[in-house]
Amino acid sequence: QSVLTQPPSASGTPGQKVTISCSGGRSNIGSYIVNWYQQIPGTAPKLLIHSDSYRPAGVPDRFSASKSGTSASLAISGLQSEDEADYYCGTWDTILDGVVFGGGTRLTVL
Amino acid sequence: EVQLVQSGGDLIQPGGSLTLSCAASGISVNVDYLSWVRQVPGKGLEWVSVMHPDGKTYYAGPVKGRFIISRDSSKNTVFLQMTSLRVGDTAVYYCASSTGWPGFDYWGQGTLVTVSS
Repeated sequence: QSVLTQPPSASGTPGQKVTISCSGGRSNIGSYIVNWYQQIPGTAPKLLIHSDSYRPAGVPDRFSASKSGTSASLAISGLQSEDEADYYCGTWDTILDGVVFGGGTRLTVL
Repeated sequence: EVQLVQSGGDLIQPGGSLTLSCAASGISVNVDYLSWVRQVPGKGLEWVSVMHPDGKTYYAGPVKGRFIISRDSSKNTVFLQMTSLRVGDTAVYYCASSTGWPGFDYWGQGTLVTVSS
């Protein structure tokens, strides 16, 4: 059972917009920045979004994210086949004194 | 370009010990936050440990008292010493670095640790 809650799966067709949610509490999302990671099966995770909503260099602007209160969300617009991957949210938890991740969302491009 | 090159994964018996290494280039292990994250094949990410630039360390509950994170500035390398290994520690272990916290900007390629008799 993950501290942060994500839907296990999401899907969309090429060109569509998909949103993935990440729900937490006051001790984690409500207190710290949220980062998002993309993991293509068989490879290491990659930083997709940092500090709630900032894209590292090289990440397409099709990826965007936001945070409100104790929830965060990742949006992918103009969906492409190469976006098929697992997506994880993560942050620090002040009660657990550790990093917590969501359980991950498997995105399928139909 | 930042590169984190990992080594040390192995098949080890329960109760045994193992040390993982993560050699960094393009960053300084004295300046960045250095972490270990593990993933059971087919499952989600689980944070293991972090060393802050000031040397402060934090550990996840399941590994506290058994794992130690350390760094060697002369080799620009971070280590994870694992003792009293359990079957439940079986996972791919990733090292990661970041300039801010919490976060994992760059990741190593991962190394498989299998704990089994």
